[in-house]
Amino acid sequence: DAGVIQSPRHEVTEMGQEVTLRCKPISGHNSLFWYRQTMMRGLELLIYFNNNVPIDDSGMPEDRFSAKMPNASFSTLKIQPSEPRDSAVYFCASSLNPVEQFFGPGTRLTVL
Amino acid sequence: SQQGEEDPQALSIQEGENATMNCSYKTSINNLQWYRQNSGRGLVHLILIRSNEREKHSGRLRVTLDTSKKSSSLLITASRAADTASYFCATVPIQGAQKLVFGQGTRLTINP
Repeated sequence: DAGVIQSPRHEVTEMGQEVTLRCKPISGHNSLFWYRQTMMRGLELLIYFNNNVPIDDSGMPEDRFSAKMPNASFSTLKIQPSEPRDSAVYFCASSLNPVEQFFGPGTRLTVL
Repeated sequence: SQQGEEDPQALSIQEGENATMNCSYKTSINNLQWYRQNSGRGLVHLILIRSNEREKHSGRLRVTLDTSKKSSSLLITASRAADTASYFCATVPIQGAQKLVFGQGTRLTINP
């Protein structure tokens, strides 16, 4: 298996632009997680899905952030409009059971 | 707020020595997990210890859990240069079965 796939790996955009991050979980996994990692705040859970349904989005910073999982093999995290403080590494992870999560390589987002 | 707090924040030792990292948490947990993150990469699951376990081994890794003190330790024996990475503890609260709450991590450097 290729593991969790994220795209793009790097994104540089200007403030106010829309940003869409993409994730393909490991085939067969039924849970998907979006995290954000910064030096100041560490690794934060933004939202997670179980069987394509959002279960907990309490970590989503504000209405500018939205996430979707239209099917078991694809999820997006959208930021609109983006702001410089959104600059971070965004990780997607998937799991089959509530034990081990498998992380993707991350998307490094820079908002100028 | 972060559930897990790692100690120390940074650790530098010589190759061959043992490395010990500690983690404290605040609320009751279902299990505690340790992850490793190499620079610029996603996190990789190392080991899980359940709340009713006190010690667990996996290769050169030894994890202990003291639920009365709400603390855990990760010991890496006979360290190697390839062990250089950041190590995170993550707790799974009793409520919120799939939700991992990460600490800030310990940056471990193994000097050859």
